[in-house]
Amino acid sequence: GQNIDQPTEMTATEGAIVQINCTYQTSGFNGLFWYQQHAGEAPTFLSYNVLDGLEEKGRFSSFLSRSKGYSYLLLKELQMKDSASYLCAVLDSNYQLIWGAGTKLIIKP
Amino acid sequence: SQTIHQWPATLVQPVGSPLSLECTVEGTSNPNLYWYRQAAGRGLQLLFYSVGIGQISSEVPQNLSASRPQDRQFILSSKKLLLSDSGFYLCAWKGFGEAYEQYFGPGTRLTVT
Repeated sequence: GQNIDQPTEMTATEGAIVQINCTYQTSGFNGLFWYQQHAGEAPTFLSYNVLDGLEEKGRFSSFLSRSKGYSYLLLKELQMKDSASYLCAVLDSNYQLIWGAGTKLIIKP
Repeated sequence: SQTIHQWPATLVQPVGSPLSLECTVEGTSNPNLYWYRQAAGRGLQLLFYSVGIGQISSEVPQNLSASRPQDRQFILSSKKLLLSDSGFYLCAWKGFGEAYEQYFGPGTRLTVT
């Protein structure tokens, strides 16, 4: 079967750095996505990795290791507005997105 | 730029009643369209996707159906709602080319009572 694992909840302090991990086992791999979802709202696209390595976009970075079936999202200089759920999704061999349950990130002042 | 609309934003329906949720996309042609459901505290479950008018693929057997009567219109329906149909319904589109990311509409929060 297909499986994506993320921690259910994480807590971090404003101004700090947090790393959200995602491990996956899917039928094929055509890329990995990270989305941000604020409570009661739709997910918004953050990043896409298809090759191994680190992709940086401002305060957010995403890393992929295909051999390990592993990715992480790194958030720097945390702000209160970063409090949200972060969803990991893998594009499988049929080019369909398989979604993790999401990690709820709580930022404390 | 592309815009995706969904309505209604919220809906409270009794068990056994019918359902019709509508999604429209502006600013693009022949997009791939998707219907997802998200239960409270859970990930997204793909319900249906469509690659063109009249072309619907169902991912999960259930009492829901989808239709695509026009290029940029995607409709989710049910003849008789169940309590388990409660959730957050999201419509998404994906353009062609190498970008595979999907973009979501604002969603409809459905409560079946």
